[in-house]
Amino acid sequence: QKEVEQNSGPLSVPEGAIASLNCTYSDRGSQSFFWYRQYSGKSPELIMFIYSNGDKEDGRFTAQLNKASQYVSLLIRDSQPSDSATYLCAPILTGGGNKLTFGTGTQLKVEL
Amino acid sequence: DAGITQSPRYKITETGRQVTLMCHQTWSHSYMFWYRQDLGHGLRLIYYSAAADITDKGEVPDGYVVSRSKTENFPLTLESATRSQTSVYFCASSESVSRGQETQYFGPGTRLLVL
Repeated sequence: QKEVEQNSGPLSVPEGAIASLNCTYSDRGSQSFFWYRQYSGKSPELIMFIYSNGDKEDGRFTAQLNKASQYVSLLIRDSQPSDSATYLCAPILTGGGNKLTFGTGTQLKVEL
Repeated sequence: DAGITQSPRYKITETGRQVTLMCHQTWSHSYMFWYRQDLGHGLRLIYYSAAADITDKGEVPDGYVVSRSKTENFPLTLESATRSQTSVYFCASSESVSRGQETQYFGPGTRLLVL
């Protein structure tokens, strides 16, 4: 079992729709969770982080965390073509060292 | 504000040669990381460093060597390059491990091809 599981996609949504990206993780002790966006040929850039169960909103982005189910998700409202990218879920591993473990990412395509 | 930079951005080398990838950050972040990214595997941690002169292995350290004599620099050396080390290499840094300061910021990457 991989430590972080994401559907590789591509996930296609029409412009203006809500895109829902999901992630499950195996490390029950993980307390901090990050979502990165990566455009093709570019480096990952931080979208959001979340620490507590529930929802956290930042503009068009909402992160949702359920530690009991070991599940974290990212919702993108009013999706734009510029949101087309690969989204990486990354919990911090327990055991110190601020080590992130990345999923392989979900490719999102927002269609006109 | 240069942030975090990597050099070279592209490198072609031959099997058996030694290659050093450079990483430099201007934020005085304590933590620095090296990842490789390959299709089907995502980003995998090679080595990380909590401070100058403190380094530790990540998930895939074999064939790599790191050093950190200065806080701002974290070079990664492939002592004898192999074709399996063809990849995109990303350096990252974070301020600390304290909540709110553990976000990792990534450099632009180095594309390495080993022939």
